[in-house]
Parts: sequence; C-alpha cells; structure tokens
Amino acid sequence: QKEVEQNSGPLSVPEGAIASLNCTYSDRGSQSFFWYRQYSGKSPELIMFIYSNGDKEDGRFTAQLNKASQYVSLLIRDSQPSDSATYLCAVTAQKLVFGQGTRLTINP
Amino acid sequence: NAGVMQNPRHLVRRRGQEARLRCSPMKGHSHVYWYRQLPEEGLKFMVYLQKENIIDESGMPKERFSAEFPKEGPSILRIQQVVRGDSAAYFCASSRTAPMNTEAFFGQGTRLTVV
Repeated sequence: QKEVEQNSGPLSVPEGAIASLNCTYSDRGSQSFFWYRQYSGKSPELIMFIYSNGDKEDGRFTAQLNKASQYVSLLIRDSQPSDSATYLCAVTAQKLVFGQGTRLTINP
Repeated sequence: NAGVMQNPRHLVRRRGQEARLRCSPMKGHSHVYWYRQLPEEGLKFMVYLQKENIIDESGMPKERFSAEFPKEGPSILRIQQVVRGDSAAYFCASSRTAPMNTEAFFGQGTRLTVV
C-alpha cells in the first residue's frame, strides 16, 4: 500500500466550476498535510496546509481533513484556466511524503 | 529574502561521471529534503537531513548516491558513476523545523541529463 495515494487523473473541470481533489494516507501518525501545485517543468509551490480536523479556507481554496478516515481533500472554487496544473498531496509523520499527483485541466 | 536555491539548474554528465547537486536552504531553515522526479511522475523521497546529520535516507539507492548537509555551506547530493537511469529532475526543499507542523518550500530543481 502506498503511503499517500491520489487519483492520477486527468481531472477535467469547466471554468467557473468547483474542482475537487482527493488524497488518502496510510500512516495514522501523520500530523501535517499539504497541497502543492506544480506547473509543467516547474517546481512544486505550496498552496495550502492543514494540521487539524475540519476545513481551512484561503481565498478560492479549501482544504478538508478527516484524520479518522485518513483522508484529505482540496476544493478549488470558481476554477480558472490558470489553475490547470498537477496538484500534489503531501503528508508528514517523520518525513514529508508525496502522492503521485492529480493532473487538473480547467476547460474555458 | 531568498528562497531555496539550487544549482546548477541544468547538468549534463556522461555515463560514469560524477554529478554534484547543491541546495542552499531558506534563511533560518535547518532541515533539508531531497526528491527525485521522473517526467509525468510524482516526487519520490530520497533523503532528509538536518545540519550535520542524516535523519532518514530510506529513499536513497544503496549504491552511488550520497548526501550531506555540513555545518557550513549548502547541502550536497552526490551521484557517482552516473547511468542513463539517473536522468531526472532533482528537487530540494527546506523547512525551519522538523517536518511535523511546519511548511517546506522547494527550490527550482536541477535537471540532470546523462548522455
């Protein structure tokens, strides 16, 4: 079982809609959860982090964490073409481990 | 306030040569992580270092690869006797404290091409 699992996609969403990205993790001792965005040929960029159960909102982005279900998600409201990228879920226990990423395409 | 600095950005090596990749963490950060990324794939953890210590090297190949983070100077990822399969993007990230409850930021990466 992979430590961090994401649906690799591609996920296609129309402009203006809500994009929903999901991630599960295997280590119940995980304490911190991150979402990074990576454009093609570029380095990962931190966009959200969440440490406690529940929701955390930052602009158009909402991260949701459910430790009992070992599940973390990212919602992007009012999706824009510039949101088209690969989204990487990362989890820390003793080290920072990444999922394989979900490729998101926003269609104008 | 400079971010994580990696150099070189691009590195070409012939098979059998050595590759040295450098990473200077953000100011105030003493924890460094190295990852390898193949095209269209995720980030594969290689090694986690704190100043002068290797904390976790469970993702490092047993041979030819080594990493260090000396008291002074950048962290170095060293690949000896490179092979074509080592061609990849190598990313470094740094954080202020241990991975729990702290954010990590990435450098621009080093694209290694072995010819």
